[in-house]
Amino acid sequence: AQKITQTQPGMFVQEKEAVTLDCTYDTSDPSYGLFWYKQPSSGEMIFLIYQGSYDQQNATEGRYSLNFQKARKSANLVISASQLGDSAMYFCAMSRSNDYKLSFGAGTTVTVRA
Amino acid sequence: SQTIHQWPATLVQPVGSPLSLECTVEGTSNPNLYWYRQAAGRGLQLLFYSVGIGQISSEVPQNLSASRPQDRQFILSSKKLLLSDSGFYLCAWSVGTGKRRYGYTFGSGTRLTVV
Repeated sequence: AQKITQTQPGMFVQEKEAVTLDCTYDTSDPSYGLFWYKQPSSGEMIFLIYQGSYDQQNATEGRYSLNFQKARKSANLVISASQLGDSAMYFCAMSRSNDYKLSFGAGTTVTVRA
Repeated sequence: SQTIHQWPATLVQPVGSPLSLECTVEGTSNPNLYWYRQAAGRGLQLLFYSVGIGQISSEVPQNLSASRPQDRQFILSSKKLLLSDSGFYLCAWSVGTGKRRYGYTFGSGTRLTVV
């Protein structure tokens, strides 16, 4: 079974600073995908970034980057230049390449302070 | 472009009443469809998924059931709601297996409160 662990239940960050959200995963499959989603208070799930297990480079999408350390089974999300609109819950998720299911971590609540 | 519709947005139901939540996808064919539930302040738990019409896989034994009567329609049901069924229900779709960028798209969710 695959397991995703997010150890930070909540974080505060100052506006314009960077923040790193931790995510570790456990799988024996060699091929898998890692996702980060943002969930604001409205409840919608917003896709942020994706990393494939065979991707050679760390994924980046605007202010979001994924620090992928495959040997450590770690996929931390870095948000640069935090904005007040970044305040939300963030979820790490994983799927296997031969599977249809997306499994989620418990999430990390980020609060950006002005 | 592909869109996913989920309704209603909020629902308050008495214990013991039936439930029907509907999700439809537009702009794609043969999507994989999913129902997730999220308790307050918690992560998402996969309840059901479907890879085709009439094909339903259940992840968690519970008071709920799912059906897929049409290719792009996914329904979550209960004959008698329990208090523990309260939560935020999200429908999602994907195409193919999980190793795809932008692979999963979520609906806007239904907040269900059982009273």
